[in-house]
Amino acid sequence: GDSVTQMEGPVTLSEEAFLTINCTYTATGYPSLFWYVQYPGEGLQLLLKATKADDKGSNKGFEATYRKETTSFHLEKGSVQVSDSAVYFCALSELGTGGFKTIFGAGTRLFVKA
Amino acid sequence: GAGVSQSPSNKVTEKGKDVELRCDPISGHTALYWYRQRLGQGLEFLIYFQGNSAPDKSGLPSDRFSAERTGESVSTLTIQRTQQEDSAVYLCASSNLAGEPGVAYEQYFGPGTRLTVT
Repeated sequence: GDSVTQMEGPVTLSEEAFLTINCTYTATGYPSLFWYVQYPGEGLQLLLKATKADDKGSNKGFEATYRKETTSFHLEKGSVQVSDSAVYFCALSELGTGGFKTIFGAGTRLFVKA
Repeated sequence: GAGVSQSPSNKVTEKGKDVELRCDPISGHTALYWYRQRLGQGLEFLIYFQGNSAPDKSGLPSDRFSAERTGESVSTLTIQRTQQEDSAVYLCASSNLAGEPGVAYEQYFGPGTRLTVT
């Protein structure tokens, strides 16, 4: 079945460091890919998405490119801030017999130190 | 009412009791999802409703768990004879699948119900 694997956390960085959170997936078809973020004490919210191969999603300085050849959707940010401290979830959504079902990765906790 | 709402926000119950959790999706959203998030862990898919189709119940962990949805409106997740391992945050999300054919759209999450079984 479909699955999402993302790097284990926690990831601890200093402010202004470069961030990469790896995400790879397995799917039978052509899924849409998402990164969701959960800030401390808040609910999950969409960070960015890509719906087809080579699409780049971007938001708040974060980027991720849908790489079909490597089945990856790695999240990157050039210069992290303390306010980026959160848990990041990679997810895929693929059309099945009953509609779109979304599979989430286990989440990667990011701590950014001032 | 712009977002997904869930009630109660917190629920403490004794082992063996039944609990009912409620989700009000965003109006017009045809898809509704329930997830479980144990402390420090990722999201565990439970059940998915899409319009009038039969729900995808493949994630329900046992027959103590069930869910219903009234049309494209409110959903309730029921846990019977609760156990301590049921303690978690239960998240509901809704999605509007209209638009470009074959493309999944983002899910909008509610704030969750924190369930504690003592």
